Amino acid sequence: DQQVKQNSPSLSVQEGRISILNCDYTNSMFDYFLWYKKYPAEGPTFLISISSIKDKNEDGRFTVFLNKSAKHLSLHIVPSQPGDSAVYFCAAREDSGGSNYKLTFGKGTLLTVNP
Amino acid sequence: GAGVSQSPSNKVTEKGKDVELRCDPISGHTALYWYRQSLGQGLEFLIYFQGNSAPDKSGLPSDRFSAERTGGSVSTLTIQRTQQEDSAVYLCASSFDRKFYEQYFGPGTRLTVT
Repeated sequence: DQQVKQNSPSLSVQEGRISILNCDYTNSMFDYFLWYKKYPAEGPTFLISISSIKDKNEDGRFTVFLNKSAKHLSLHIVPSQPGDSAVYFCAAREDSGGSNYKLTFGKGTLLTVNP
Repeated sequence: GAGVSQSPSNKVTEKGKDVELRCDPISGHTALYWYRQSLGQGLEFLIYFQGNSAPDKSGLPSDRFSAERTGGSVSTLTIQRTQQEDSAVYLCASSFDRKFYEQYFGPGTRLTVT
């Protein structure tokens, strides 16, 4: 059973516009959420995170929004740039005492930013 | 500074052979993680090391999989009697103890079992 779901396998946006990547989760014990970016033939790179006690975290062009009641988070990239083209993974941590090192990942969304 | 490195970058092996995958974490990172990504899937957690010990091995798919870490640094993931379903990209990550949720990944080893 997938606990972290990224329902859009791909997304295409125009350069300069906003990119919105979505992620849904089912486990109410998740207390920390992260976004990773992955280029081909490279490992994922940490992008931005948010604690479950917050509803927004912003870092430059990247903002993550968390809606706990809907068990939904989103990553906004504005303005989008061609270099943002990559696969974006949503991940979550469950605070379950001794198991709080483990991240559960979604399947990823391929973002393509067209010049 | 140097990031997480993994070797080999690609490995093709015949079904039934054993393989060893190596990970060199970022210097000073006490936590080390192994994941795998099968085609079209997300990252699947395999095992976690804190120092040289592995508190949780429950993510390992079968007893053909084992991992060790020595000197609180290099880790080796061993797959015995490889099967075709073991074909995947195996990713290693490391982190500081206090920020274990911000993991830094290596480029991965692409394993193909023929």
